[in-house]
Amino acid sequence: GAGVSQSPSNKVTEKGKDVELRCDPISGHTALYWYRQSLGQGLEFLIYFQGNSAPDKSGLPSDRFSAERTGGSVSTLTIQRTQQEDSAVYLCASSFTTSIFGSYNSPLHFGNGTRLTVT
Amino acid sequence: TQLLEQSPQFLSIQEGENLTVYCNSSSVFSSLQWYRQEPGEGPVLLVTVVTGGEVKKLKRLTFQFGDARKDSSLHITAAQPGDTGLYLCAGATGANSKLTFGKGITLSVRP
Repeated sequence: GAGVSQSPSNKVTEKGKDVELRCDPISGHTALYWYRQSLGQGLEFLIYFQGNSAPDKSGLPSDRFSAERTGGSVSTLTIQRTQQEDSAVYLCASSFTTSIFGSYNSPLHFGNGTRLTVT
Repeated sequence: TQLLEQSPQFLSIQEGENLTVYCNSSSVFSSLQWYRQEPGEGPVLLVTVVTGGEVKKLKRLTFQFGDARKDSSLHITAAQPGDTGLYLCAGATGANSKLTFGKGITLSVRP
């Protein structure tokens, strides 16, 4: 079946421009995450959507970053007035969270990411 | 903040060698997952451990969850070049809590 789809796969933008990154999660998945990964580094949490709950925005690095998830499906990450330090791979993941014996997380299914380069 | 520390950060070994890498935290996790990521792709789940002391095997990979559910180890027997990649551990404190990732371990297996 279809996996998590992210678009565009690559984006080059000039400093100061706004960008929008899109994520199409797996159908039926209630949880959606955005992470940022710099070259050779681990995953930096940005934002987490879970069902109809208020999103956990605690990882957004500044107010230039925002994200929304419409209809519990597609998500868009927007970066306003991009800076060179925003250059990274932005990864989206979705999961169908469930609970077995009260404490279990379904695996995250990741897209291949959007490589953002700010010149 | 649930900090997951992975060690060593980088590891370069010869094909056929054994290795063990670690994922440690001062927090207790309800579950812990290991992922492997190859260049240009997203991470892919290898295993989830849930019970303290649990051991899971995936071919030549052995994963263990610490008794106190604060740490985990990954042992690879007779490493192959195909094992090369970034190994990430991720922990969750509850069924619907967000997953927190460590910084990862970059493994290179030389033929």
